[in-house]
Amino acid sequence: GAGVSQSPSNKVTEKGKDVELRCDPISGHTALYWYRQSLGQGLEFLIYFQGNSAPDKSGLPSDRFSAERTGGSVSTLTIQRTQQEDSAVYLCASSLGQDLVMNTEAFFGQGTRLTVV
Amino acid sequence: GEDVEQSLFLSVREGDSSVINCTYTDSSSTYLYWYKQEPGAGLQLLTYIFSNMDMKQDQRLTVLLNKKDKHLSLRIADTQTGDSAIYFCAESLTGGGNKLTFGTGTQLKVEL
Repeated sequence: GAGVSQSPSNKVTEKGKDVELRCDPISGHTALYWYRQSLGQGLEFLIYFQGNSAPDKSGLPSDRFSAERTGGSVSTLTIQRTQQEDSAVYLCASSLGQDLVMNTEAFFGQGTRLTVV
Repeated sequence: GEDVEQSLFLSVREGDSSVINCTYTDSSSTYLYWYKQEPGAGLQLLTYIFSNMDMKQDQRLTVLLNKKDKHLSLRIADTQTGDSAIYFCAESLTGGGNKLTFGTGTQLKVEL
């Protein structure tokens, strides 16, 4: 596609339920990021995929959060047993992410607004 | 470390210049970026600077980089109401697999 696509755009879920958020990166982009943006807060890094390397999971806030990237393309962020503090906008971004001498502009999706009630 | 810090808010009057500041701690940055997030929208790249440069100008935007002090700034000349947004600085790190680290964002409010 022309840009990074995220689905759903909005998700309301009950506390304790599991949710899956999807990200379709730009074709050919090897790097993929998940960030979380809470109301009035900055951008919180969650996880980073780069090619076939092991993902950088250092930003995942708890073991209820996991993400996978199948075939080096589509990524799914899963939140198990959702809590109210998980309510936020979840942003996905992708970039070419390879050559160090190239700038690594990240292209962002519109985000998924998750509300846990 | 990979901390990137920004002040949270900046308020300016229309027509004045805005200066948004950012400090970072990792001296091995390769590129430094400014992203803009308009209300209800995703982030978009505004401008970037390679770490061996001191300054970059792009129309109303001037980026200054002080590598010694690890300080990055974005100056917007003749600020307009359409410039109201959240501005994020970010760095990509040598040897970090080009992973981007973002600051917390500065909310710019332009008043008439």
